[in-house]
Amino acid sequence: GAGVSQSPSNKVTEKGKDVELRCDPISGHTALYWYRQSLGQGLEFLIYFQGNSAPDKSGLPSDRFSAERTGGSVSTLTIQRTQQEDSAVYLCASSLDREGWNEQFFGPGTRLTVL
Amino acid sequence: AQKVTQAQTEISVVEKEDVTLDCVYETRDTTYYLFWYKQPPSGELVFLIRRNSFDEQNEISGRYSWNFQKSTSSFNFTITASQVVDSAVYFCAPNTDKLIFGTGTRLQVFP
Repeated sequence: GAGVSQSPSNKVTEKGKDVELRCDPISGHTALYWYRQSLGQGLEFLIYFQGNSAPDKSGLPSDRFSAERTGGSVSTLTIQRTQQEDSAVYLCASSLDREGWNEQFFGPGTRLTVL
Repeated sequence: AQKVTQAQTEISVVEKEDVTLDCVYETRDTTYYLFWYKQPPSGELVFLIRRNSFDEQNEISGRYSWNFQKSTSSFNFTITASQVVDSAVYFCAPNTDKLIFGTGTRLQVFP
């Protein structure tokens, strides 16, 4: 079956502009996660959804970051007034549910470059 | 507080050598799960193995084996007879209420 997909694969934007990153999880997966990976770094947790709810937003770096999920499926991560330090690869993952035993399946990521 | 440490930043081996990647996870939680993920040059993270905190038996799957010792907080991962295709960054990732990734170990396997 289809894996996790993300769009766009690459996004170049100017400082101060807003961007939207999209994630399509694996069908039937109720849990969805967003991470950020800066160059040569590990993964930084941003937010997760169980269904359409986001119980843990503690990883969002600032109030310029927001995310939503509709219909228990597609999720959008929005970054307002982008800054150069927002440049990174944004990864989305999904899992069957929030049970800790379930592995997460990752998408290919969106590489964001803020000029 | 939780802390995951992958002390090895980079490892280089020659094909067919065995290689062990170290991970130390410090936590006060008694129930958790431990994962290893691989990130090849293509960038897409791939799940490899997992272990729960109650199971300290060593396991082997193909060329992969792993050793979890709760007393030392270590969850090490071994690749036997390494191959060039094993070249990637390997992340140890404990999961309690959320997945926490270590900083990764870059493995380079030379022919």
